[in-house]
Amino acid sequence: DSGVTQTPKHLITATGQRVTLRCSPRSGDLSVYWYQQSLDQGLQFLIQYYNGEERAKGNILERFSAQQFPDLHSELNLSSLELGDSALYFCASSGSRVGNEQFFGPGTRLTVL
Amino acid sequence: DAKTTQPTSMDCAEGRAANLPCNHSTISGNEYVYWYRQIHSQGPQYIIHGLKNNETNEMASLIITEDRKSSTLILPHATLRDTAVYYCIVRRDQAGTALIFGKGTTLSVSS
Repeated sequence: DSGVTQTPKHLITATGQRVTLRCSPRSGDLSVYWYQQSLDQGLQFLIQYYNGEERAKGNILERFSAQQFPDLHSELNLSSLELGDSALYFCASSGSRVGNEQFFGPGTRLTVL
Repeated sequence: DAKTTQPTSMDCAEGRAANLPCNHSTISGNEYVYWYRQIHSQGPQYIIHGLKNNETNEMASLIITEDRKSSTLILPHATLRDTAVYYCIVRRDQAGTALIFGKGTTLSVSS
């Protein structure tokens, strides 16, 4: 158990809909990262937050957004969903110490029908 | 961050050592070598990382060549539960940098 929790585990929705994925980092970790894993693209970094502020952006679509709340949990919002958004979405967290590894949650499997 | 090259797949007999190679010929002096693995759609799991000295922990050993252009992850006594995709990642060791995953090596351990 990495200490990172993600909800829900599975999500099935239709094209055009909007969903919210939730992540609770390990206790004390200030950084939260979101990654997407699809069959054709592999594991891709989407976005990172550090103590409530956006720190870095990767290959995140404009239809996607995220935020980190004062209690450090994070939410990834996916809107106008397309079939190609079906994927595993992982959240990871790390501390602020140089060299801290990232701990990954179990992921949310999103299926867009 | 430097690019890495790994074999697509490898096989290993249970109980034997698994040696997973990684080439990172463009690595810079301030870049570290990290290894993660992913067991069947679970979240990736940190294994080990190093700069230039060999490293060992309870999971594995990391051997980095003197010129730092390649490294080998060693699982000393592979078990069936070590079957996974192993990712070699080179990154600057700064707090808060994202991981850039390649395709990794699929290690299959069989009895």
